[in-house]
Amino acid sequence: GQNIDQPTEMTATEGAIVQINCTYQTSGFNGLFWYQQHAGEAPTFLSYNVLDGLEEKGRFSSFLSRSKGYSYLLLKELQMKDSASYLCAVNSDYKLSFGAGTTVTVRA
Amino acid sequence: IAGITQAPTSQILAAGRRMTLRCTQDMRHNAMYWYRQDLGLGLRLIHYSNTAGTTGKGEVPDGYSVSRANTDDFPLTLASAVPSQTSVYFCASSEGTSGSNEQFFGPGTRLTVL
Repeated sequence: GQNIDQPTEMTATEGAIVQINCTYQTSGFNGLFWYQQHAGEAPTFLSYNVLDGLEEKGRFSSFLSRSKGYSYLLLKELQMKDSASYLCAVNSDYKLSFGAGTTVTVRA
Repeated sequence: IAGITQAPTSQILAAGRRMTLRCTQDMRHNAMYWYRQDLGLGLRLIHYSNTAGTTGKGEVPDGYSVSRANTDDFPLTLASAVPSQTSVYFCASSEGTSGSNEQFFGPGTRLTVL
């Protein structure tokens, strides 16, 4: 099975930056996804990394280091609507394994 | 419809009853998946189908069965429900199974087994 770890909760202030870390141990790595999930809703795709380095998409960026089994999701210029759970998911053997998710609370 | 739909939205079920959760997608995606989401455990894969006519077991398949008679539909059946199957169930689909294929999720079914 896969071992995917991410912090349970994080709190930050509106306008600030938050970094959500994800570490994983897996066999047959085919990429790493980040999903956003608002309470009571379905997960929605944020980013995909398969090569080492940083992928930037507007206010959100995702980083991957395959040799370290490490990724982070960077949320910049936080807005109240960014309050949600952020799920790290590893594609291994062409199936996704998810971490338990990190709940981010944005305070005014 | 556009995307992926699930029915019912929520259900309360007596233990021992049979229940089928429905999932339909209109994106002509080849692959479909069923997950359950429990507090503190995240999403766990129950069963998957890489293409119509084929299915496979995920991480937590016991007590569940699936079928994939066509591209669009992927029902999940609980033959005899138990309280530990109380969860939120998400169906998802992806165009293919290669690494970059993102999964699109349905709105979920909240199931309570008493």
